[in-house]
Amino acid sequence: NAGVTQTPKFRILKIGQSMTLQCAQDMNHNYMYWYRQDPGMGLKLIYYSVGAGITDKGEVPNGYNVSRSTTEDFPLRLELAAPSQTSVYFCATRTGFQPQHFGDGTRLSIL
Amino acid sequence: DQQVKQNSPSLSVQEGRISILNCDYTNSMFDYFLWYKKYPAEGPTFLISISSIKDKNEDGRFTVFLNKSAKHLSLHIVPSQPGDSAVYFCAASSSTNAGKSTFGDGTTLTVKP
Repeated sequence: NAGVTQTPKFRILKIGQSMTLQCAQDMNHNYMYWYRQDPGMGLKLIYYSVGAGITDKGEVPNGYNVSRSTTEDFPLRLELAAPSQTSVYFCATRTGFQPQHFGDGTRLSIL
Repeated sequence: DQQVKQNSPSLSVQEGRISILNCDYTNSMFDYFLWYKKYPAEGPTFLISISSIKDKNEDGRFTVFLNKSAKHLSLHIVPSQPGDSAVYFCAASSSTNAGKSTFGDGTTLTVKP
């Protein structure tokens, strides 16, 4: 049982490049979330989804896009990478009123 | 406006002693509070939670206390063990907002042998 799987684990991008951070879950959870964590800070919500086909903005959505075509997958897209997007990105899932389950993160550097 | 605050970035305690981590919140709509533990290079993992209808929840060595009038919660770890050394995040959510959690900035706990 893999839980929440994030790929890649590490990535270096050049300014202006684009990429997709992948998040896959095998727990059949309806809710999925994308957070970013900057050094010494807490987790900031980027986007979330309450089910397949439904997404909404979180606290810091600018520069990102998401889609949720299946229950299992919730990719996060960066279109024009900027240095301010250097961060660690965490995907999380939840069902019912249970706590969130997190992946191990993607460490992204933009140079 | 930071709605969840952990005012102590770090805490160091001796093995066997009590660790007390604090968290303050400002949003009266929060009705569910959680503590997550995070080791380096891993995602946060759930530790313990408390609903606003309670003032205490205990799970083994971990106890969370909630003071709604003061908008304050605390996590007690007794006795502290070296394996407890990690970053602890306080999080708060409202039952009306799709389970979205607002996180504090974390407290790094170091338990010395």
